[in-house]
Amino acid sequence: QQQVKQSPQSLIVQKGGISIINCAYENTAFDYFPWYQQFPGKGPALLIAIRPDVSEKKEGRFTISFNKSAKQFSLHIMDSQPGDSATYFCAARLYGGSQGNLIFGKGTKLSVKP
Amino acid sequence: DSGVTQTPKHLITATGQRVTLRCSPRSGDLSVYWYQQSLDQGLQFLIQYYNGEERAKGNILERFSAQQFPDLHSELNLSSLELGDSALYFCASSVLGQGNTGELFFGEGSRLTVL
Repeated sequence: QQQVKQSPQSLIVQKGGISIINCAYENTAFDYFPWYQQFPGKGPALLIAIRPDVSEKKEGRFTISFNKSAKQFSLHIMDSQPGDSATYFCAARLYGGSQGNLIFGKGTKLSVKP
Repeated sequence: DSGVTQTPKHLITATGQRVTLRCSPRSGDLSVYWYQQSLDQGLQFLIQYYNGEERAKGNILERFSAQQFPDLHSELNLSSLELGDSALYFCASSVLGQGNTGELFFGEGSRLTVL
């Protein structure tokens, strides 16, 4: 119940295309769902996040879609650019926040071809 | 720059040895987290400290230990090292309580190679 399952493991998209990464969870006590972006040699950095009372959140070209009943959420990258090539991690945090630790998916390596 | 500093960036050692990884959190962040990143397991939560006290424990081996000091920096101690301990070790920090946005700020990691 503590797992977050992420797919696909890797993704190749043409420049200008849409990149879609999916995550699923079991534990309904998760209350915060962020996406982190990691470039080679760097630590993960927060990209966008959503709470379960919202079905969609958009920031620029990045959108999170959240389906509470299906316990699934996804990241959409519109007009994908070569600079978006990175590894993306979805994550979830248990309600209560006093701990604050995130449970991460295994990551998706995105390559955007020019 | 996340504001989280980790040292050393790279470390090569032999099996059976002990190493210490160090982390300085962002100014004002009381909570420190340690994560292990390997190719097949992704980012695995190890342990969290809040203002000097252990707050949560994840998949941390008994050979590993951590502490957070009064100046809020943290150290992760890895002992009796095995080949399988080779990984990237990340430290992250966050604000908890008032002002908590949920965001973790990660350092650039310490790459440990055990030969």
